[in-house]
Amino acid sequence: AQKVTQAQTEISVVEKEDVTLDCVYETRDTTYYLFWYKQPPSGELVFLIRRNSFDEQNEISGRYSWNFQKSTSSFNFTITASQVVDSAVYFCALVNSGGYQKVTFGIGTKLQVIP
Amino acid sequence: ETGVTQTPRHLVMGMTNKKSLKCEQHLGHNAMYWYKQSAKKPLELMFVYNFKEQTENNSVPSRFSPECPNSSHLFLHLHTLQPEDSALYLCASSQEPAPAVAKNIQYFGAGTRLSVL
Repeated sequence: AQKVTQAQTEISVVEKEDVTLDCVYETRDTTYYLFWYKQPPSGELVFLIRRNSFDEQNEISGRYSWNFQKSTSSFNFTITASQVVDSAVYFCALVNSGGYQKVTFGIGTKLQVIP
Repeated sequence: ETGVTQTPRHLVMGMTNKKSLKCEQHLGHNAMYWYKQSAKKPLELMFVYNFKEQTENNSVPSRFSPECPNSSHLFLHLHTLQPEDSALYLCASSQEPAPAVAKNIQYFGAGTRLSVL
């Protein structure tokens, strides 16, 4: 069975602080994909990153960075120098790559950046 | 703007009503999805359509009936709903067709906030 755990349901930080959102996953598949999506107050989920299970390189995109560690089944997301516009709910998702495509989302982490 | 438009944005209905949610994507994608987002629960994938054909139905009750007349439009017909069906219903689309549907990057609409009284 697949599972995605986002243990932090809500986080508050002061603007310009760094913040890390945790994502731990479980799967029996050797090939899978991990995603992060951002859901601002307007409602639509916005894609941030996709990583396949064979690519453990960390990635940086501006103030965003992702740390993928298969040894701990984690795919954590860090925002550096947070801004008010980063306030949103962030979802981690796991997709298997087998014949039956299953997508599993985490419960989401609500991030509030205080000015 | 993500290129996926959902209407209405808000809907209140009684348990005996029949209503429909509409989703339209302007991205030329081949796959469309319905998700249910309830408070304090993970997003639940309900239905997947690929080139207008339903490829997944994740044990969704029959009071939810999807319809995909073409690759750009997706409907969710609702009838005799229960209060626990109150949630945000999200539509999404993605470019690539089957079989590798779910690993695609999905583009989401802003959702329909449904309240069942």
